[in-house]
Amino acid sequence: DAGVIQSPRHEVTEMGQEVTLRCKPISGHNSLFWYRQTMMRGLELLIYFNNNVPIDDSGMPEDRFSAKMPNASFSTLKIQPSEPRDSAVYFCASTFLGGAGTEAFFGQGTRLTVV
Amino acid sequence: AQKVTQAQTEISVVEKEDVTLDCVYETRDTTYYLFWYKQPPSGELVFLIRRNSFDEQNEISGRYSWNFQKSTSSFNFTITASQVVDSAVYFCALSPWNTGNQFYFGTGTSLTVIP
Repeated sequence: DAGVIQSPRHEVTEMGQEVTLRCKPISGHNSLFWYRQTMMRGLELLIYFNNNVPIDDSGMPEDRFSAKMPNASFSTLKIQPSEPRDSAVYFCASTFLGGAGTEAFFGQGTRLTVV
Repeated sequence: AQKVTQAQTEISVVEKEDVTLDCVYETRDTTYYLFWYKQPPSGELVFLIRRNSFDEQNEISGRYSWNFQKSTSSFNFTITASQVVDSAVYFCALSPWNTGNQFYFGTGTSLTVIP
């Protein structure tokens, strides 16, 4: 298995533009997480899905952020409009809900810079 | 409330020294899982170990060892004879069984091994 695949690896965009981050979880996994990592706040859980259904989106900073999981093999995190304070590394992770404490597997992250 | 505390923000050791990274957790759940992840300078998050709340046996894997003590709600990580390649940020995480596989991460400990 190729692991969790995120794209793009790096994204530089201008303030006000729409940004879409993509994630392909590991095949067979049914839980997917989006995290944001910054120096100031560490790893923050933004949202997670179980069986493609959003379970907890309380970590989503504001309405500018939205996430979808149209099927078991694809998820997107969209920021519209983007702001400089959104600059961070965004990680996607997947695991198998129902397994006994299965570890989460992380993608390599998308480094977002909003100028 | 679910919480993971890694009080050590940064640690520096000289190569070949032993180092212990502390992790203290809070949960009211009786069934939960604890994890350690490593984030090397390249940025990806690498799973190291998983422990369930019913198994307090210490574990050793090469130069790595983990000490789980429910009485003190701690899950400490020791690296013996540290090497430069151990330089990374290490995260402790908690996943209570009743939270639908949600992971709660500590703020991380940045370890620098000086040659």
